[in-house]
Amino acid sequence: GAVVSQHPSRVICKSGTSVKIECRSLDFQATTMFWYRQFPKKSLMLMATSNEGSKATYEQGVEKDKFLINHASLTLSTLTVTSAHPEDSSFYICSARDYGGRGYGYTFGSGTRLTVV
Amino acid sequence: AQKVTQAQTEISVVEKEDVTLDCVYETRDTTYYLFWYKQPPSGELVFLIRRNSFDEQNEISGRYSWNFQKSTSSFNFTITASQVVDSAVYFCALSRDDKIIFGKGTRLHILP
Repeated sequence: GAVVSQHPSRVICKSGTSVKIECRSLDFQATTMFWYRQFPKKSLMLMATSNEGSKATYEQGVEKDKFLINHASLTLSTLTVTSAHPEDSSFYICSARDYGGRGYGYTFGSGTRLTVV
Repeated sequence: AQKVTQAQTEISVVEKEDVTLDCVYETRDTTYYLFWYKQPPSGELVFLIRRNSFDEQNEISGRYSWNFQKSTSSFNFTITASQVVDSAVYFCALSRDDKIIFGKGTRLHILP
């Protein structure tokens, strides 16, 4: 149990367009999900915490208008990168808070590699 | 401040050698969890271990072992008889306020 599906795994978009990334908990309910960003050869930086039915909490320095997070159900959180620019190119990973899963509290998606051209 | 330090940016060893990845953490919490994750080139995070702050018992899982010492705020990870498939980036992490904070990672190269 405790599987998180992240889609798409890879996306290329044109500068100025918006891209939506989905994170689904497949076999458990996730009231809390986390979004991370990882630059090449760098660590995972926490961007925001999303709670089902309420507004996301963003980490300092993360533009909430640029990175829109919606957590409308207990199994789905989405991250929309609005008006994407090349500097938004990165690897984005979601994580769902799970209790009793194999991740011992946190289960990660497989990541989305975003390239903005 | 809550912080995880992995001082080794990159390590290369020859296959079958043992290798230890260091992790030092800072936290004001009395209850916390420490983690190790493996990130192969494909990018997904592979969970390796979680350790509760009250449990200082060392753990061994096959070729992997972990040494947790609260006195030095360290949670080191040792791979015995390394294999090429162990090549990856390894992250040490600390839970804080329900979030996971990652160290900068250690890139491990196992040379055949």
